[in-house]
Amino acid sequence: NAGVTQTPKFQVLKTGQSMTLQCAQDMNHNSMYWYRQDPGMGLRLIYYSASEGTTDKGEVPNGYNVSRLNKREFSLRLESAAPSQTSVYFCASTPGFAEAFFGQGTRLTVV
Amino acid sequence: DQQVKQNSPSLSVQEGRISILNCDYTNSMFDYFLWYKKYPAEGPTFLISISSIKDKNEDGRFTVFLNKSAKHLSLHIVPSQPGDSAVYFCAASEDNDMRFGAGTRLTVKP
Repeated sequence: NAGVTQTPKFQVLKTGQSMTLQCAQDMNHNSMYWYRQDPGMGLRLIYYSASEGTTDKGEVPNGYNVSRLNKREFSLRLESAAPSQTSVYFCASTPGFAEAFFGQGTRLTVV
Repeated sequence: DQQVKQNSPSLSVQEGRISILNCDYTNSMFDYFLWYKKYPAEGPTFLISISSIKDKNEDGRFTVFLNKSAKHLSLHIVPSQPGDSAVYFCAASEDNDMRFGAGTRLTVKP
């Protein structure tokens, strides 16, 4: 029972490079989320998807794009990475009006 | 503009005593509230939740209180144990939009 799986776990990028963070859940949840965690800032919502085919902006969407590929997968893309995007990224899923399950996180460093 | 606020970055209590973690929110449309616990290098894990139609929910040593008029919720842990030492996040949800506070680091001393 894997729950929420994020890949990769660690990544170092150069400024201007692009990459996609992958997230998959096997719990048949409708809603999926991407958060970033920074010291003193808690978890800030980047984007979320209430159902397959829909996405909505959260608090800090600038510099990111998302794709809800199917019900299982929700990816986060950085088109041109900046040092300000150095953070720990968490993906989560929930069936709706219930607790969310989180992945283990992706630690991203942009140099 | 952070809609969920945890104004105490840290809290230290003695083992066996009560821990009270506080959270305030600004969006009156939030209808579901949750507390999560997080250890280093792990994702947050769910602890307890409460719907906006209730003012209290209890699960073992953990109780969450909701005061809608004050837009305030709190988490009580009684009795506190050293294993409770972690960062605690409160979260609030409107439809599928779920926002988190900045977290409170709880340290329970033996």
